[in-house]
Amino acid sequence: AQKITQTQPGMFVQEKEAVTLDCTYDTSDPSYGLFWYKQPSSGEMIFLIYQGSYDQQNATEGRYSLNFQKARKSANLVISASQLGDSAMYFCAMRFVTSGTYKYIFGTGTRLKVLA
Amino acid sequence: GAGVSQSPSNKVTEKGKDVELRCDPISGHTALYWYRQSLGQGLEFLIYFQGNSAPDKSGLPSDRFSAERTGGSVSTLTIQRTQQEDSAVYLCASSQTPHSNQPQHFGDGTRLSIL
Repeated sequence: AQKITQTQPGMFVQEKEAVTLDCTYDTSDPSYGLFWYKQPSSGEMIFLIYQGSYDQQNATEGRYSLNFQKARKSANLVISASQLGDSAMYFCAMRFVTSGTYKYIFGTGTRLKVLA
Repeated sequence: GAGVSQSPSNKVTEKGKDVELRCDPISGHTALYWYRQSLGQGLEFLIYFQGNSAPDKSGLPSDRFSAERTGGSVSTLTIQRTQQEDSAVYLCASSQTPHSNQPQHFGDGTRLSIL
């Protein structure tokens, strides 16, 4: 069965440092998509970055990059030069197809706290 | 509108009552999704619509839950005979299509509290 695992319930990082948030996944479907979302304390979900299973290059979006290791089934999010505004919950998600329909599963999230 | 709009933002109701949650997606987005987020938890995928059609309803927690979408736009999630375990934030999202690289844009959610 498809599964997303985020093993870090909470992380701290010093402002201006880089931080890696872990995400591992499990699927037998060769075609899938991996997403990272940010949820600040205000509650809205904000899309950060996407990686397709067939993409050869690791995705990057500004300070966000996705360290995609397909053989290890990991899709870690790297945030460079952390800012205080990066403090939030971060969710890893996977889109897959089962029985001809799309489904999405989310991990349990990692709460990141950026320290001044 | 500019973003996904959900109403009401908060709903408090007594156990056993029916509730209806509304989602107005971004104009032109054909795919619409419903999720449930319980306190301190991740998102639980409930259902998605492609146009007015929901290909798979197996994510709905029980037969008390139903959803519909009309005109390829507004969607309603209905919970009948609410139970306390239904208390959660219900999030709606939309995307241009349900296909792989399309990110979902989320609304602010409806916080549902069952007394």
